[in-house]
Amino acid sequence: DAMVIQNPRYQVTQFGKPVTLSCSQTLNHNVMYWYQQKSSQAPKLLFHYYDKDFNNEADTPDNFQSRRPNTSFCFLDIRSPGLGDAAMYLCATSRRQGLGETQYFGPGTRLLVL
Amino acid sequence: DQQVKQNSPSLSVQEGRISILNCDYTNSMFDYFLWYKKYPAEGPTFLISISSIKDKNEDGRFTVFLNKSAKHLSLHIVPSQPGDSAVYFCACGNEKLTFGTGTRLTIIP
Repeated sequence: DAMVIQNPRYQVTQFGKPVTLSCSQTLNHNVMYWYQQKSSQAPKLLFHYYDKDFNNEADTPDNFQSRRPNTSFCFLDIRSPGLGDAAMYLCATSRRQGLGETQYFGPGTRLLVL
Repeated sequence: DQQVKQNSPSLSVQEGRISILNCDYTNSMFDYFLWYKKYPAEGPTFLISISSIKDKNEDGRFTVFLNKSAKHLSLHIVPSQPGDSAVYFCACGNEKLTFGTGTRLTIIP
């Protein structure tokens, strides 16, 4: 089955220790998104790639970076995690960018910062 | 500055009755509206959508209503089934989506 896969499902890191979350997709979609969702809050878009074009949201902290080495994979790098970065991180894909394009989500990675 | 609001964090409905989930938005530029359903330990899955040129879209037991003048959309599920118990997110946007905080729906057998 075509799907969006996120590894690991749970990640524990230490305050200030860099961490990388990964996302892969078998849908061959052009667009990949990273969202952050804190408890009882709405998923918040951090950035997205349209093919190799990176699009950062204006309020995404510099601490968050992303890489997309190929169509199938996208990584979220948190350079120096703080306690406030503990959240669920959701990866999503869509076939194209634009009105009406459905986004397909992975199961998420829950990040805990100690 | 929350552009998309789901004011009911939770809702309980008897099996077989109608479930109505509500969503309000403030940005009149939103052109497309979606509902996602999320089970525990899974990512949100797309449920139903509506474009701004319509006021109703139906898919089986699920109907989404859009009132553009009131900047309000709702999701009706009828009849409600136990498997409908989940968190429901509304999302509004054009090229990008802005999500609400979700409503946890519990269907009581």
